[in-house]
Amino acid sequence: DGGITQSPKYLFRKEGQNVTLSCEQNLNHDAMYWYRQDPGQGLRLIYYSQIVNDFQKGDIAEGYSVSREKKESFPLTVTSAQKNPTAFYLCASSSGASGNTIYFGEGSWLTVV
Amino acid sequence: AQSVTQPDIHITVSEGASLELRCNYSYGATPYLFWYVQSPGQGLQLLLKYFSGDTLVQGIKGFEAEFKRSQSSFNLRKPSVHWSDAAEYFCAVGAADTGRRALTFGSGTRLQVQP
Repeated sequence: DGGITQSPKYLFRKEGQNVTLSCEQNLNHDAMYWYRQDPGQGLRLIYYSQIVNDFQKGDIAEGYSVSREKKESFPLTVTSAQKNPTAFYLCASSSGASGNTIYFGEGSWLTVV
Repeated sequence: AQSVTQPDIHITVSEGASLELRCNYSYGATPYLFWYVQSPGQGLQLLLKYFSGDTLVQGIKGFEAEFKRSQSSFNLRKPSVHWSDAAEYFCAVGAADTGRRALTFGSGTRLQVQP
């Protein structure tokens, strides 16, 4: 089935550690996105990539890093510089054309312990 | 930059009653507008979208939304709510004339359905 796969679903991190969230899509979409969701704040854009080997900062990029080496993959690294990383992270993709629908994965829960 | 406001954080309706969720956007040109629904701990599912043309758009699960340029609104409606509609609903806006293809989301409205 076509779709967006995020892993792991649940992740626990100790303070000071970097963690990487995986996002893979088989929709042949050019554009991919990472959003962070906190209760009562909706979704906020972390990073997005409109084409392989290129990505742009979103509204809350500090403390995060990404790579886009392959069209189908857009991993997100939450670094130790991110002061409040506990959140629900959503990966998404779209064909990249202006206004095209963005499709979402099932999300990953990250908890700092 | 575009922005979205969903004034109602939480709404409770009785099953079978009608529903309207409000969404106001701020954007200089004609926006692309979307409504998504999210069940707890899940990703977002697209309900409907407006790009151009007819200002009344139909979506899945019996939902519809109307684009009103004069009011900068894109309210979501359903004539008769089912218990399975209980979820969180997000309005989102996309920009047509910038290089940024990502959507800007509102803070969401949580819908509770009473039996």
